[in-house]
Amino acid sequence: GAGVSQTPSNKVTEKGKYVELRCDPISGHTALYWYRQSLGQGPEFLIYFQGTGAADDSGLPNDRFFAVRPEGSVSTLKIQRTERGDSAVYLCASSLRQQDTQYFGPGTRLTVL
Amino acid sequence: AQSVTQPDIHITVSEGASLELRCNYSYGATPYLFWYVQSPGQGLQLLLKYFSGDTLVQGIKGFEAEFKRSQSSFNLRKPSVHWSDAAEYFCAVGAQEYGNKLVFGAGTILRVKS
Repeated sequence: GAGVSQTPSNKVTEKGKYVELRCDPISGHTALYWYRQSLGQGPEFLIYFQGTGAADDSGLPNDRFFAVRPEGSVSTLKIQRTERGDSAVYLCASSLRQQDTQYFGPGTRLTVL
Repeated sequence: AQSVTQPDIHITVSEGASLELRCNYSYGATPYLFWYVQSPGQGLQLLLKYFSGDTLVQGIKGFEAEFKRSQSSFNLRKPSVHWSDAAEYFCAVGAQEYGNKLVFGAGTILRVKS
């Protein structure tokens, strides 16, 4: 079946601009996670949704970052006033339930010039 | 704080040789443990996982890992490496108490010599 998909695969923007990154989880998966992977590092947790609600947003670095999942399926990660330090690969993962294996999408590579 | 250490940034092995990638964790709860592999430009693919039970777990592509609670380790092994195994490997830890968010190590890049 279809895996986790993320769009766009690449995004180049200018400092100060607003960006949205989209994640389509595996159908039926109730849990959805966002991670950020900087060059040479492992992924770092940003936010986790169980259904429509953000169950844990402790990894969001500041209030420029926000994510939604209004219908409990697709999620959008929103970054305001982008900074060069936001450049990274943003990964989305989903799992059937909270404690199950997380399956990752291919990621969105964000470059802030 | 939860943390995962992968002591080896790079490892080079000859094709056909055995492999062991190290992973140590520090976690304040009963952990779930995972190994993921990432090829260039690809997403993370799950190799194997440990939730409970038998501490020696088998995964895909001939990989296995052993959970040793006393050593807080979850090392990944393969008896005979193939050139296609060249990739970056990540160890990750999660726990139900922390909402199952994963904490990843920094990764180990595996190079395979022919």
